[in-house]
Amino acid sequence: NAGVTQTPKFQVLKTGQSMTLQCAQDMNHEYMSWYRQDPGMGLRLIHYSVGAGITDQGEVPNGYNVSRSTTEDFPLRLLSAAPSQTSVYFCASSPVRGGPYTQYFGPGTRLTVL
Amino acid sequence: RKEVEQDPGPFNVPEGATVAFNCTYSNSASQSFFWYRQDCRKEPKLLMSVYSSGNEDGRFTAQLNRASQYISLLIRDSKLSDSATYLCVVNGEYNFNKFYFGSGTKLNVKP
Repeated sequence: NAGVTQTPKFQVLKTGQSMTLQCAQDMNHEYMSWYRQDPGMGLRLIHYSVGAGITDQGEVPNGYNVSRSTTEDFPLRLLSAAPSQTSVYFCASSPVRGGPYTQYFGPGTRLTVL
Repeated sequence: RKEVEQDPGPFNVPEGATVAFNCTYSNSASQSFFWYRQDCRKEPKLLMSVYSSGNEDGRFTAQLNRASQYISLLIRDSKLSDSATYLCVVNGEYNFNKFYFGSGTKLNVKP
């Protein structure tokens, strides 16, 4: 199993550009989520999904869209990049059944918005 | 008020020492509690879930105090490889699908 994969690893955008961060998992996990991590702060939940076709907002959803058309993929779209979105983005997945959600994280995407 | 609060440290300890971290959370109805470990510039990895009765995994012991709303992590016989940032994670009060991370406690284990 590859686990959770994220692409790209690094990205530089100009203000106003849009892009999609890709996330995929091959563990058949129902729950997937996106977080951002800024220096000195913990991970903050952007959006999450409990299954294909179901998404919901997290703590900091503004400026981001998600969709979940398959169990495996959960892309994060930045609509119009702003410098405040410079961050490290982590995608995670978790099985839902069998106890507390133990989230498995991808390696992250380091995004800089100029 | 932050959902989850941790002392950022750093905790600088010698090899073989015992070290403990605490984490407080604000949502009294939270049901799921975890400790994750994060190495520099890497993704977080689950260290252990925290159960109501407390639980142990080798040198690591986690405790939950619901009355005071804090969880703790005890590391015995610290190894150099334990050097990392330890993140406390709690799920939401009204939405158990939302997870809140503390900003982490940094541990440096010295030879």
